[in-house]
Amino acid sequence: EDKVVQSPLSLVVHEGDTVTLNCSYEVTNFRSLLWYKQEKKAPTFLFMLTSSGIEKKSGRLSSILDKKELFSILNITATQTGDSAIYLCAAFSSGTYKYIFGTGTRLKVLA
Amino acid sequence: DGGITQSPKYLFRKEGQNVTLSCEQNLNHDAMYWYRQDPGQGLRLIYYSQIVNDFQKGDIAEGYSVSREKKESFPLTVTSAQKNPTAFYLCASSMVRGNTGLKAFFGQGTRLTVV
Repeated sequence: EDKVVQSPLSLVVHEGDTVTLNCSYEVTNFRSLLWYKQEKKAPTFLFMLTSSGIEKKSGRLSSILDKKELFSILNITATQTGDSAIYLCAAFSSGTYKYIFGTGTRLKVLA
Repeated sequence: DGGITQSPKYLFRKEGQNVTLSCEQNLNHDAMYWYRQDPGQGLRLIYYSQIVNDFQKGDIAEGYSVSREKKESFPLTVTSAQKNPTAFYLCASSMVRGNTGLKAFFGQGTRLTVV
């Protein structure tokens, strides 16, 4: 059965801290790994990763994929209160054309 | 503006009623998805459709039904057989093929409450 596991489930940090969110997957016909940020309602897209070892960056956020060990990490440096959200990881299967989501990591950044 | 529109934002259902959640997209995407989100459970797939007039069950399809008569529309009906329907429902769409198209776009969600 396809599955995606995220850790930690929740995290509380102070502004300026650096955080690392983890996502491991076991998905047949794996095609890509996606990260989303969900603040209130609609998840917003952060990154899509398809190749191992290539870091994607956007401002203070970065992500990398390891297809051999079947995991991805999302790093956030110099955290701000606006980073408080649920971060969702999803793996896309090209066999079933399904996105399999993890349970998410709830991040709270304190001022 | 291109995007996905879900309606209504809030919906209240009485015991034994069927209700239908609307999802419309103008992104010309082939694939559409319905997810349910409960606290601490992430997104669980209810139904998905890769093409008009075809759809597949997801992991928690029992008590739900869908149709895909038009490319732009993928309504979800929550039937009285769904025993615990109170949840946040998200609709998404994506392109079916091509590396650059494989990111899903989400609607703003519908919060369904049983009263």
